[in-house]
Amino acid sequence: GQQLNQSPQSMFIQEGEDVSMNCTSSSIFNTWLWYKQEPGEGPVLLIALYKAGELTSNGRLTAQFGITRKDSFLNISASIPSDVGIYFCAGLDYQLIWGAGTKLIIKP
Amino acid sequence: DAGVIQSPRHEVTEMGQEVTLRCKPISGHNSLFWYRQTMMRGLELLIYFNNNVPIDDSGMPEDRFSAKMPNASFSTLKIQPSEPRDSAVYFCASSPDRAGQPQHFGDGTRLSIL
Repeated sequence: GQQLNQSPQSMFIQEGEDVSMNCTSSSIFNTWLWYKQEPGEGPVLLIALYKAGELTSNGRLTAQFGITRKDSFLNISASIPSDVGIYFCAGLDYQLIWGAGTKLIIKP
Repeated sequence: DAGVIQSPRHEVTEMGQEVTLRCKPISGHNSLFWYRQTMMRGLELLIYFNNNVPIDDSGMPEDRFSAKMPNASFSTLKIQPSEPRDSAVYFCASSPDRAGQPQHFGDGTRLSIL
């Protein structure tokens, strides 16, 4: 079946640092999504990518849909404490295929 | 605009009891999804509906689990009888259409079966 490999599993960074995470797949997707989940809440959609090669920004977040349609990355610039949480990638076909998540921890 | 609304937020009950989780999708969304999230298995799709009709229930773990969507604004996920291994956070999500549109999640129901 379809699988997504999301890395890294977790990141310990200093406030102000840039963050980068990515997802790769053995299958092609037509849509890539990035979600963030905070404790006690459901995943919240951050960025949706619909076209191979597309680069989309949402504030300090930037995500790209890989040319091969088998990968995507998410960058966060100048991290702040409220960025902590778990970030999930998801490939959308007729249903969502989820990555395992990247847990972001910001050291004070 | 109201998002996906789930109730209850927390449920603690003894094994063997019936558990009913409820979901109100975003108005106008045609597709509804039930997920289960655990540390071990991450997010698992249990079942999804399109226009109130179950389309894929292959993720439902056992016959103890059942889901209904009697109308466009309400769905239930029932576990009967419940077991300790059912303890998890259950999420409901909705999207405007069956394919190609992002899903929007509720805040989940944290279920603990003692």
